Amino acid sequence: QQQVKQSPQSLIVQKGGISIINCAYENTAFDYFPWYQQFPGKGPALLIAIRPDVSEKKEGRFTISFNKSAKQFSLHIMDSQPGDSATYFCAASLAYSSASKIIFGSGTRLSIRP
Amino acid sequence: EAGVAQSPRYKIIEKRQSVAFWCNPISGHATLYWYQQILGQGPKLLIQFQNNGVVDDSQLPKDRFSAERLKGVDSTLKIQPAKLEDSAVYLCASSRGLATLSSYNEQFFGPGTRLTVL
Repeated sequence: QQQVKQSPQSLIVQKGGISIINCAYENTAFDYFPWYQQFPGKGPALLIAIRPDVSEKKEGRFTISFNKSAKQFSLHIMDSQPGDSATYFCAASLAYSSASKIIFGSGTRLSIRP
Repeated sequence: EAGVAQSPRYKIIEKRQSVAFWCNPISGHATLYWYQQILGQGPKLLIQFQNNGVVDDSQLPKDRFSAERLKGVDSTLKIQPAKLEDSAVYLCASSRGLATLSSYNEQFFGPGTRLTVL
């Protein structure tokens, strides 16, 4: 119930194209859904996060679309650039007592072809 | 502000040996997390501290893994004895506290320690 399922495992997109990564969850108690970006040899870094009562959030070329009834959310990267090549993790945050924790998806390795 | 610091960056040991990792979180961050990231997978939470108390260690293999956070700041994660399946990147992260209606409680990650067990 605390799993976050992510697809695809890997994705190749031409420069300038749209990259789309999908995730699904079961637990309706999650209070935030963040996306993290990870480059080789680095720790994950927050890209963008959305609350479940918001259907869409956009920051620059990155957009999260959220479908609460379907328990699904996705990351869209518009005008994809070679510098976007990285591994992307969707996640779900769960608040409890005085803390919160996040459960990560399995990751999507994105490659942008020049 | 300075980021989360971790050391060492790389460690190679033989199975049944012991190893320790160190983490220094961002100043003022009350919550500290240790994650295990196996190659090709997402990070998995091992243990979470709130100040110097343990909040969640449900996924920590307590027969071989231990962690402490002295004085609510630095933390060490130890594995003794190591097994082959412990080969992974160990990530430390820190955050201020709880999420609110207006902002997500962002976790800031260190660069990780890559452990290879032979």
